[in-house]
Amino acid sequence: EAGVAQSPRYKIIEKRQSVAFWCNPISGHATLYWYQQILGQGPKLLIQFQNNGVVDDSQLPKDRFSAERLKGVDSTLKIQPAKLEDSAVYLCASSSYGGAEAFFGQGTRLTVV
Amino acid sequence: AQSVSQHNHHVILSEAASLELGCNYSYGGTVNLFWYVQYPGQHLQLLLKYFSGDPLVKGIKGFEAEFIKSKFSFNLRKPSVQWSDTAEYFCALTWTGANNLFFGTGTRLTVIP
Repeated sequence: EAGVAQSPRYKIIEKRQSVAFWCNPISGHATLYWYQQILGQGPKLLIQFQNNGVVDDSQLPKDRFSAERLKGVDSTLKIQPAKLEDSAVYLCASSSYGGAEAFFGQGTRLTVV
Repeated sequence: AQSVSQHNHHVILSEAASLELGCNYSYGGTVNLFWYVQYPGQHLQLLLKYFSGDPLVKGIKGFEAEFIKSKFSFNLRKPSVQWSDTAEYFCALTWTGANNLFFGTGTRLTVIP
């Protein structure tokens, strides 16, 4: 079974630039999550989708972050404009509907300079 | 509000030593508890989980954890560690009605051959 795919693996941008991350979940998984992991901290949920609807985006900084999952499959997370404090690893995870286990991708390491 | 505390930030052990990593949580209702592991350069993967029933749960690679409700704890144990257990370990929880994970800050384990 293929795992959660994320791209790119690494990205370096200057502050105020924009960036986008892509995630393709495990086939058939209805739930998709984006987490932000800052160095030295645990992952923090940014947004959760159920199919193509948003379940929880309470921790998403909506003035600069946006995410979509148009066809209920893959998803894109965008940051515009980026700030220095956005430097982190962005993790995508998926689970089956009502599933107990979330499966994680390898993440995208973003450095904002 | 929920919280997960992992007081050991970095643990260094010799091979064959016994391991116990602490995890304490704060939440007023019923929780589901998880331990995830992240090996160097790899994605987060599930070690074990507790939902209900026997409070002693066994996971992959010889790990186990014990849920002690009165102490709000879910400590991870392994009787004899190997060099290959070098990784970062995250305790996490979900609660009734939510299946997004709330993570602790993680404990880095270094096993010296």
